[in-house]
Amino acid sequence: DAKTTQPNSMESNEEEPVHLPCNHSTISGTDYIHWYRQLPSQGPEYVIHGLTSNVNNRMASLAIAEDRKSSTLILHRATLRDAAVYYCILRDSRAGGTSYGKLTFGQGTILTVHP
Amino acid sequence: ETGVTQTPRHLVMGMTNKKSLKCEQHLGHNAMYWYKQSAKKPLELMFVYNFKEQTENNSVPSRFSPECPNSSHLFLHLHTLQPEDSALYLCASSQGSSPLYEQYFGPGTRLTVT
Repeated sequence: DAKTTQPNSMESNEEEPVHLPCNHSTISGTDYIHWYRQLPSQGPEYVIHGLTSNVNNRMASLAIAEDRKSSTLILHRATLRDAAVYYCILRDSRAGGTSYGKLTFGQGTILTVHP
Repeated sequence: ETGVTQTPRHLVMGMTNKKSLKCEQHLGHNAMYWYKQSAKKPLELMFVYNFKEQTENNSVPSRFSPECPNSSHLFLHLHTLQPEDSALYLCASSQGSSPLYEQYFGPGTRLTVT
């Protein structure tokens, strides 16, 4: 299975943009890039996903490199509520494969937001 | 209630006890999952159910026994657990198993085995 590499931790100030990087150099053409986050004492929550094009939603933006070997989750204005562990996950879209659709979590990036 | 709920939120049990964790989703989803999150380890997928049928057992010891009586409910029956089974057990659901569907997680059950 393709793996992702993320920094262990990052820090930001409130109301500033945050760029969370993710490397996935062995990504296959059928892997979707998903981001989830886990706030303290809660289950993970979906943030955003994409395949090739950049994506925007109400929570964040996802910038995907042209070669798809890396991506960046962008929080445009960090708030204290954004302090969480952020997971970058590749999800296989090959129907019938043993890893089809699986969410395989790594260690993620711990984001600290300072007031 | 909305979303994915789990009960109990906290559970302490001895190694000889039998207990069950309950998960309920109010989202009309067809797939449900059990995950385990141990201290300082990534979340691990345990079981997957699609339309009430188990489609994945990720080499989980038999002392963990899942049950999915319908698409809205998922149970995890526990018996003769070990202290190393102490962890946060998370339930999730999704419309289907496709990677296009996001998974919605419950708040988890914090289990302590004494």
